[in-house]
Amino acid sequence: QVQLQESGPGLLKPSQTLSLTCTVSGGTVSSAGYYWNWIRQSAGKGLECIGRLHSSGRTDYNPSLQSRVTTSLDTSRNQFSLRLTSVTAADAAVYYCARAPIASNYGLFDSWGPGTLVTVSS
Amino acid sequence: DIQMTQSPSSVSASVGDRVTITCRASQGISNWLAWYQQKPGKAPKLLIYAVYSLQHGVPSRFSGSGSGTDFTLTISSLQPEDFATYYCQQANSFPPTFGQGTKVEI
Repeated sequence: QVQLQESGPGLLKPSQTLSLTCTVSGGTVSSAGYYWNWIRQSAGKGLECIGRLHSSGRTDYNPSLQSRVTTSLDTSRNQFSLRLTSVTAADAAVYYCARAPIASNYGLFDSWGPGTLVTVSS
Repeated sequence: DIQMTQSPSSVSASVGDRVTITCRASQGISNWLAWYQQKPGKAPKLLIYAVYSLQHGVPSRFSGSGSGTDFTLTISSLQPEDFATYYCQQANSFPPTFGQGTKVEI
């Protein structure tokens, strides 16, 4: 059974760059059958999809965040990563990584990491 | 983006009650509709996908229905472990979007 685990700094200052990593076990990020996703949850915006990536190199980003987001895959470490630049208080949230079968169109998320809380404060 | 609107925002219920939650999409989403359960401090858990299909291990007291823009999650006989927040989510177009949640409480 696949397991996902987020890691990264929990406290950032405004204008800094958020970098998170998701480590996958029990499955492989190089699998062609899945997209690997980043989702965040805040009290203000609820659950919000940030973006997804596939082992083919395809990425899709939420247009509302596209100018600040990049993602990458590290098959040697079985990890994928999120980078969000120029953070503000509005980016404070619990960040989740999640897996979605490629057959689920734009994403039905069948496995999630436990989430990591990111706080933005000066 | 497709907006997903759930009702009610919260529902008070007792063990054994039948509970129904509705979700309306701002445009047609075919059958690309999922339901999730979230408990405090935990990640959402996929319950139902493609409107009707139960994820492995999900009890049969959970069921989904609907088509087009209007969908329903039903819990036929509420159990103590079902007290949680439930979210609908569309996967018809990018970005996937979630409803605002329905809290099922005592």
